[in-house]
Amino acid sequence: SAVISQKPSRDICQRGTSLTIQCQVDSQVTMMFWYRQQPGQSLTLIATANQGSEATYESGFVIDKFPISRPNLTFSTLTVSNMSPEDSSIYLCSVGGKGLDPTDTQYFGPGTRLTVL
Amino acid sequence: AQTVTQSQPEMSVQEAETVTLSCTYDTSESDYYLFWYKQPPSRQMILVIRQEAYKQQNATENRFSVNFQKAAKSFSLKISDSQLGDAAMYFCAYRPSSGYSTLTFGKGTMLLVSP
Repeated sequence: SAVISQKPSRDICQRGTSLTIQCQVDSQVTMMFWYRQQPGQSLTLIATANQGSEATYESGFVIDKFPISRPNLTFSTLTVSNMSPEDSSIYLCSVGGKGLDPTDTQYFGPGTRLTVL
Repeated sequence: AQTVTQSQPEMSVQEAETVTLSCTYDTSESDYYLFWYKQPPSRQMILVIRQEAYKQQNATENRFSVNFQKAAKSFSLKISDSQLGDAAMYFCAYRPSSGYSTLTFGKGTMLLVSP
């Protein structure tokens, strides 16, 4: 498995501001993913962060709202821009595609709990 | 499109008893992976068990085992000798073996464990 850390672990933000969430992995990974988990709900994939190229966004998510960086194989950031209360969620980083894991299992970070007032 | 259905929003079990969580899925793929993830309250999501569709043998991991019925597209999780620490939200997830690792999650089942 992989050891994944996220910063910040939680934050309370004002409407209209932006927050950048960091995800750090203890080893190089091919794939990094960002999920949103709204209160009491399941996980929804926001985008796949590709190293050296633009992120691939899922339907309903756009780059202007959720810009993503992936500068190397162990790090990624997700920015939640121009926040509104509807953005209050847990944001999870996930990694997968490790060469040592033939099943390509995804492992998750601890999440960032965001509250927008 | 693939879908994953967990029909039990909440389940209860007593310590030391056995409980089974249900999951069904829909796919046109022949080769794929299935997973159960556990998310304790305010804690990190962790992998419980995984199953490769091409393997007929059901996966087991200590007290956790699955009943994988490929023809019925069913993938249930059995927890034996339940412990208080098993209390969590359990998510069933699917991923095709081709392409990159996009997971499709069910809505989850909250497992309550009583002493």
